[in-house]
Amino acid sequence: KNQVEQSPQSLIILEGKNCTLQCNYTVSPFSNLRWYKQDTGRGPVSLTIMTFSENTKSNGRYTATLDADTKQSSLHITASQLSDSASYICVVSASSKLIFGAGTRLAVHP
Amino acid sequence: NAGVMQNPRHLVRRRGQEARLRCSPMKGHSHVYWYRQLPEEGLKFMVYLQKENIIDESGMPKERFSAEFPKEGPSILRIQQVVRGDSAAYFCASSPTPTAGEQYFGPGTRLTVT
Repeated sequence: KNQVEQSPQSLIILEGKNCTLQCNYTVSPFSNLRWYKQDTGRGPVSLTIMTFSENTKSNGRYTATLDADTKQSSLHITASQLSDSASYICVVSASSKLIFGAGTRLAVHP
Repeated sequence: NAGVMQNPRHLVRRRGQEARLRCSPMKGHSHVYWYRQLPEEGLKFMVYLQKENIIDESGMPKERFSAEFPKEGPSILRIQQVVRGDSAAYFCASSPTPTAGEQYFGPGTRLTVT
């Protein structure tokens, strides 16, 4: 069964600190893995997309890693800001279908 | 280039009524996807359409739900005889191709069934 699991479910950090979010998947066939940011009441916005051969990709203060052998990905956020408070969703593409994780809800406090 | 547009943003329906959700994809995108997000849960795929064709409706309930993407005009997700369990956020995404690149999401329609 195609599944994407994320941890932790929720996370609270202080402004300026770093954090790492985890994603494990069992999806076949694997096309690519994406991380999305979803602000409350809004649609998801893409942060990074990685194919099988890529093992790291950065977008500003966001850095995603992918280990296709262990089927794990992480999203590292550096020097967090209040505006980083959102849900972060790991999404794995199987052909034309996207399999979504439940997300990690991040709260950045001043 | 406007993003994916969805309307209405909020929709309240009484049990038994019909809900009609609209999605206008980004300009040049002919692939549309509908997703449902229940409170505290991840997005779940419902249906994938190309212009005038349903490509994959494996995530859509067989009864009461239907979707279309006509040659002209927005894609429509229709829910007939709504029940309380239909209350959710419904997101539409579009892409220029079915597998390559990203899907761009709209802001969603929040359906509340009273």
